[in-house]
Amino acid sequence: NAGVTQTPKFQVLKTGQSMTLQCAQDMNHNSMYWYRQDPGMGLRLIYYSASEGTTDKGEVPNGYNVSRLNKREFSLRLESAAPSQTSVYFCASSEQTESYQPQHFGDGTRLSIL
Amino acid sequence: AQSVAQPEDQVNVAEGNPLTVKCTYSVSGNPYLFWYVQYPNRGLQFLLKYITGDNLVKGSYGFEAEFNKSQTSFHLKKPSALVSDSALYFCAVLNSGYSTLTFGKGTMLLVSP
Repeated sequence: NAGVTQTPKFQVLKTGQSMTLQCAQDMNHNSMYWYRQDPGMGLRLIYYSASEGTTDKGEVPNGYNVSRLNKREFSLRLESAAPSQTSVYFCASSEQTESYQPQHFGDGTRLSIL
Repeated sequence: AQSVAQPEDQVNVAEGNPLTVKCTYSVSGNPYLFWYVQYPNRGLQFLLKYITGDNLVKGSYGFEAEFNKSQTSFHLKKPSALVSDSALYFCAVLNSGYSTLTFGKGTMLLVSP
C-alpha cells in the first residue's frame, strides 16, 4: 500500500529558482493538504484542497501556489525560492474535510534553498 | 482561534516505566483532539482521537489519552514505555469548520534502555 507518495525526497535549489513538489495518494481521499515543518514550530498548513477543483489558503501561504490536478494529485509550487522556504514539506490526505477522519501523511520532501 | 500547547520540548523515561506526554488546548466550542507520532525521516502517523464519549481514548501501539475538560488537557499515556516509542509526538486540534488541523510544536520522547 503506497498511501501518500511525495517526490522528490530531497532537493537543493538556489535562491530565485522555481520548483514543483509533487504529491499523489491512492486511497481515494477527497481532501489533501500541504504542510511545512520547521524545528520548534510544529507543522504549519500552507494550502489545502477540500475536494477536486477547490483550494484554500492555510496559515502560511505566501510564496507558494498549489494545483489540485485531479482527485489523486496535489502539487505545491515555489515560483521564486527564498532561503526562508528551506524546510521539510509534507503532503497529507483524508477522506474528507468537515469530518473527524485522520490525515495520512507522506514521508516528506526535504528542501534546501541556498 | 483553536490552539494546542505542548509544554515540554522533551520527555525522558526509562524503558518499562509509564510515560505521559502533555497537551493542553484552547477552543471555542467542543474540542476534537488528535495525537500523531513521527519517527525519524518519516511522515506523521495517526495514534488516536477524541471526538466525544469516554474520557479515556485507546489508540495504536498501546497508547491511550485522557481527556479532561475542566483542565482543558488531553495527555498521551502509556503504562510501560518501550525504546521503540522514542519519537516526536504531536497533539492537534480540529479547527472550527472542521476543515483543518492546528498542531502543537511537538514533544520529543526519549526512552532509555
